[in-house]
Amino acid sequence: GAGVSQSPSNKVTEKGKDVELRCDPISGHTALYWYRQSLGQGLEFLIYFQGNSAPDKSGLPSDRFSAERTGGSVSTLTIQRTQQEDSAVYLCASSPIGSSYEQYFGPGTRLTVT
Amino acid sequence: QQQVKQSPQSLIVQKGGISIINCAYENTAFDYFPWYQQFPGKGPALLIAIRPDVSEKKEGRFTISFNKSAKQFSLHIMDSQPGDSATYFCAASGWRQGAQKLVFGQGTRLTINP
Repeated sequence: GAGVSQSPSNKVTEKGKDVELRCDPISGHTALYWYRQSLGQGLEFLIYFQGNSAPDKSGLPSDRFSAERTGGSVSTLTIQRTQQEDSAVYLCASSPIGSSYEQYFGPGTRLTVT
Repeated sequence: QQQVKQSPQSLIVQKGGISIINCAYENTAFDYFPWYQQFPGKGPALLIAIRPDVSEKKEGRFTISFNKSAKQFSLHIMDSQPGDSATYFCAASGWRQGAQKLVFGQGTRLTINP
């Protein structure tokens, strides 16, 4: 079946512009996660959605970052007034209910802020 | 803050050798310990996972060894092949702040020389 998809695969934007990154999780997966991975670094947790519960936003680095998940499926991560330090690969993952250890990752969106 | 510490940061092994990556955790409330494999330009993919009530799990050439009393676990790759060259992340799954999430180690870049 189809895996997690993300779009765009690459995004180059100017400092100060807003960007939207999209994630389509695996159908039926109730949990959705966003992570950030800087060059050669580990995975930094950003935000977590579980079903209809309020999202866990504890990893968002600033109020310029926000995310929503519509209809329990597609999610959009928005970064406002982008800064050069926002340059990274943004990864989305989904998992079936009760199996947070079993996360399926998309290919990521590489964001470059010039 | 809950952490998973991973070592080494990078590892070079000759083809046919054994690759060993180690992780240590600080929280006893984790319920699964997965390992993820990431190739360049791709998202991480679940490789193998173990529960804390099991001391060892083997899948093909990949083995997790788990030491609950020491709060340590390791990944062994037997007969390492050039195709195993990737970045490996250990992780721990558990409930934090009402949400079930993964905590990742910082990653190990493994290179298998032919």
